[in-house]
Amino acid sequence: GDSVTQMEGPVTLSEEAFLTINCTYTATGYPSLFWYVQYPGEGLQLLLKATKADDKGSNKGFEATYRKETTSFHLEKGSVQVSDSAVYFCALSTERDDKIIFGKGTRLHILP
Amino acid sequence: DAMVIQNPRYQVTQFGKPVTLSCSQTLNHNVMYWYQQKSSQAPKLLFHYYDKDFNNEADTPDNFQSRRPNTSFCFLDIRSPGLGDAAMYLCATSRGGTSGTYEQYFGPGTRLTVT
Repeated sequence: GDSVTQMEGPVTLSEEAFLTINCTYTATGYPSLFWYVQYPGEGLQLLLKATKADDKGSNKGFEATYRKETTSFHLEKGSVQVSDSAVYFCALSTERDDKIIFGKGTRLHILP
Repeated sequence: DAMVIQNPRYQVTQFGKPVTLSCSQTLNHNVMYWYQQKSSQAPKLLFHYYDKDFNNEADTPDNFQSRRPNTSFCFLDIRSPGLGDAAMYLCATSRGGTSGTYEQYFGPGTRLTVT
């Protein structure tokens, strides 16, 4: 079945460091891919998305490129801030139904 | 701003005492979802409505029920909460459709405590 695998956390970085959170997926057909962010005590917010191969999603300095050849959608940011501390979920949806499949989440801690 | 609203944000109930959580949306989306999220885990889908069509996940306990009286509102009823039902409950919406490209928009969640 369809699935999402993302790197386990927690990930701890210093402010202004470069961030990569790896995400790979398994799906039949042509899924849409998402990154959601969850700040403490809050719901999930859509951070960025990509709907077809080679699309790049970007928002708030974060980027991710839909790589069909490697079935990956890695999240990157050039210079992280303390306010980026949160849990990040990689996710996909397919043409078959209205559901989203989430990865297990990666907790990110940014140290000042 | 169009949004997904959940009330209350924090709910305390007693073991075995029925509780209802509510969700409303101003996005006019066709699909509404209820998720359960426990600490440090991904959200787990309980069920969803596509318009008035109810879709239950196979592993959702019978203790959990839902109602959607109209497009804007959806309720989660927990008939006899147990200690294991303490969690964050998230409501989400999406436009829906078989294209599968529609992202979901989440509310802020209701933190349920069972005493």
